[in-house]
Amino acid sequence: SAVISQKPSRDICQRGTSLTIQCQVDSQVTMMFWYRQQPGQSLTLIATANQGSEATYESGFVIDKFPISRPNLTFSTLTVSNMSPEDSSIYLCSVEKNTDTQYFGPGTRLTVL
Amino acid sequence: QQQVKQSPQSLIVQKGGISIINCAYENTAFDYFPWYQQFPGKGPALLIAIRPDVSEKKEGRFTISFNKSAKQFSLHIMDSQPGDSATYFCAASTGNQFYFGTGTSLTVIP
Repeated sequence: SAVISQKPSRDICQRGTSLTIQCQVDSQVTMMFWYRQQPGQSLTLIATANQGSEATYESGFVIDKFPISRPNLTFSTLTVSNMSPEDSSIYLCSVEKNTDTQYFGPGTRLTVL
Repeated sequence: QQQVKQSPQSLIVQKGGISIINCAYENTAFDYFPWYQQFPGKGPALLIAIRPDVSEKKEGRFTISFNKSAKQFSLHIMDSQPGDSATYFCAASTGNQFYFGTGTSLTVIP
């Protein structure tokens, strides 16, 4: 398995500001993923972050809005830029280990006023 | 297009009963089928997973039944307990492409 931590665990932000979410894993992993989960909904993949390369974004998500960094094999950040109330959601990072198995962090609950 | 269809959306079961959640898929390239359990305020936690070369996998009170020909798989929770009350997500994967079901909110009544 993998132990994953996220910071912050929650935040309340003003419209138009940006928030950077950190994801730390207890072991080196190749694949890291960022998801969004709106209340009572399923998980939507935002992007896949591989170390040493540009993140790959899913349809409907763009780098200008959700820039991602992956400086090493245990760490990644997701920034939610120029936030609006529609960005209020839970943001989850996950890692792939043991081929195909994804493990999730505890999530960051974001509220945009 | 929903790659993985999950039902029911919500489920209420008496303590000691059997909880059954169903998922269906279309893409025969999927080769890994995990179930995740999520408690409020927490991230999803891997519960149990199966590959299509077996028809059933059991871990404690949790069992996955897999029907390759019907392209369906289900989670059975035996002797359901109030502590099992959570949201359950099925998923299907090919390589590192994960597709999640819409989730089932399970409530186990004491």
